[in-house]
Amino acid sequence: GESVGLHLPTLSVQEGDNSIINCAYSNSASDYFIWYKQESGKGPQFIIDIRSNMDKRQGQRVTVLLNKTVKHLSLQIAATQPGDSAVYFCAENRPANNNDMRFGAGTRLTVKP
Amino acid sequence: DAGVIQSPRHEVTEMGQEVTLRCKPISGHNSLFWYRQTMMRGLELLIYFNNNVPIDDSGMPEDRFSAKMPNASFSTLKIQPSEPRDSAVYFCASSIRQGVNTIYFGEGSWLTVV
Repeated sequence: GESVGLHLPTLSVQEGDNSIINCAYSNSASDYFIWYKQESGKGPQFIIDIRSNMDKRQGQRVTVLLNKTVKHLSLQIAATQPGDSAVYFCAENRPANNNDMRFGAGTRLTVKP
Repeated sequence: DAGVIQSPRHEVTEMGQEVTLRCKPISGHNSLFWYRQTMMRGLELLIYFNNNVPIDDSGMPEDRFSAKMPNASFSTLKIQPSEPRDSAVYFCASSIRQGVNTIYFGEGSWLTVV
């Protein structure tokens, strides 16, 4: 029978290209955001975070951009490698909701060698 | 450094049985979270604790689910009685302080109820 479940957005890129993964968040009062990477069979791993008083933050090969006007977050991965293949989640901290951290549905990134 | 430690990693149980999942947060972390991940609903927050006190359990599906944190280094999530629809990956996570610091996840407990 047909399987029913979340239909994750997918992004397929060539090894060496740059990747951009997007996320729309829900709450204009959210003050802290995190990107996580989840490989098959593992728990989500922290990649990079950003607070709402910033609009850009850079890490090693990764950059997070925050646009509070349109409630949009993006993760840019430079020179994507096969080991970057995973599901990527954005998470927002919502201070008006007891500071709980809510996760998006995720985006599946596939890197073609 | 030891991360968040969960046990068991995998469990297969029969419908109606009690299931207990265990978690040891990162030492020094004051907030602990239980999440459930399924294909249907993605990653859902079930409950979280600050300084061993449950703060928000609105995500707990029903009375069959309960969570405790008797001390700063141990928490349990119990399902009694278990049902097939409880089959999921259950993640424990911890942070130094909720809402301010990064949440770090364990590797998950993969539960199958048959």
